Amino acid sequence: ETGVTQTPRHLVMGMTNKKSLKCEQHLGHNAMYWYKQSAKKPLELMFVYNFKEQTENNSVPSRFSPECPNSSHLFLHLHTLQPEDSALYLCASSQQVAGGYEQYFGPGTRLTVT
Amino acid sequence: AQKVTQAQTEISVVEKEDVTLDCVYETRDTTYYLFWYKQPPSGELVFLIRRNSFDEQNEISGRYSWNFQKSTSSFNFTITASQVVDSAVYFCALSAYTQGGSEKLVFGKGTKLTVNP
Repeated sequence: ETGVTQTPRHLVMGMTNKKSLKCEQHLGHNAMYWYKQSAKKPLELMFVYNFKEQTENNSVPSRFSPECPNSSHLFLHLHTLQPEDSALYLCASSQQVAGGYEQYFGPGTRLTVT
Repeated sequence: AQKVTQAQTEISVVEKEDVTLDCVYETRDTTYYLFWYKQPPSGELVFLIRRNSFDEQNEISGRYSWNFQKSTSSFNFTITASQVVDSAVYFCALSAYTQGGSEKLVFGKGTKLTVNP
């Protein structure tokens, strides 16, 4: 099993739908992250979980709701999204111990909101 | 606040040319880490290198080399004898901390490198 997996890889949803993105890491890391990557914009950090506790919510709208049931799994629940939420959503994990540990990324979910 | 600037938005070279990607950072932390990632068209970010702020030695890995200069707050990345497979978006990143005390990365906007045959 590769390091960080994400499902689905592609998702098209209407503005009234509810869907969830899933991320799973097989690296034994203790921290997980959600990023949003839009066209012509830098990578935007959305949420950080450290030992299942949320330690960062980067002013993300409430229509995005994260869930981290354990250190290996991370979800992003989506509801009543807007077309501008269309983007590549990347999950990452790292081992936060003494600092400076690299993050490993999944392949991303390409989300299109119609 | 931490900031990473990659002034080169896009670079196009011909195969076998050398190319340098620039990265300038801002931080008030005395200890920090710098990273480079590669994002090929498939979308997944691939970790390339991590550098500690106390280690200013240049590093070479095959055709890749990195030049870290604290005096100019730069961490540049050079690809020697570029190949078509090097075509990707390259991101420079700097370590920072969340309000909750966890480590996070601050990314630059990326440089899109196209290597033409």
